[in-house]
Amino acid sequence: AQSVTQLDSHVSVSEGTPVLLRCNYSSSYSPSLFWYVQHPNKGLQLLLKYTSAATLVKGINGFEAEFKKSETSFHLTKPSAHMSDAAEYFCVVSDRPPGSQGNLIFGKGTKLSVKP
Amino acid sequence: NAGVTQTPKFQVLKTGQSMTLQCAQDMNHEYMSWYRQDPGMGLRLIHYSVGAGITDQGEVPNGYNVSRSTTEDFPLRLLSAAPSQTSVYFCASSYSFTRDRAGAFFGQGTRLTVV
Repeated sequence: AQSVTQLDSHVSVSEGTPVLLRCNYSSSYSPSLFWYVQHPNKGLQLLLKYTSAATLVKGINGFEAEFKKSETSFHLTKPSAHMSDAAEYFCVVSDRPPGSQGNLIFGKGTKLSVKP
Repeated sequence: NAGVTQTPKFQVLKTGQSMTLQCAQDMNHEYMSWYRQDPGMGLRLIHYSVGAGITDQGEVPNGYNVSRSTTEDFPLRLLSAAPSQTSVYFCASSYSFTRDRAGAFFGQGTRLTVV
């Protein structure tokens, strides 16, 4: 069965410093992976997704993630944090191979705090 | 604007009451699903539907019913509310969340409190 593990429940950075949110996945095949962001009291927005194309995926708002099969990781990074990045971030895996419809399996989330 | 509409946004129920959370999408998406979000748990799948007339259970289906009589609507029913169902509920839809650039579309959520 597919699963994701977000290694940190809370990450705190200073504005202007790099962001690293860690995610490991478990899958019996090459998965589809996503990062979603949820700002306080808001719905979810897709940041980026990997579906077996380029391993370095660029998303919105300067975020990117690299799919590393050997490490079963899909960490989210941003070179310079902004106050508006403070939110909860979810690493998500599809429970079907790319191209097949399936369900989204969410990690437990990482809360990102950004200090002035 | 196109998207996923959930109603109501907030609801307080007494234990044992029933209610229906509404979800509608106007994008002609075949796939729709319901999640609940609890602190420290991420989002967990309750039920999903791959098209009108077809529904199936997710990870946490107990206490909830769904039906899908049209492509647009996917209501979630709580037959006898319990305090353990206090949560934030999200509806999502997609044509194909691996092929669509936007992934799955999520509603704004329904915050339900059962007292």
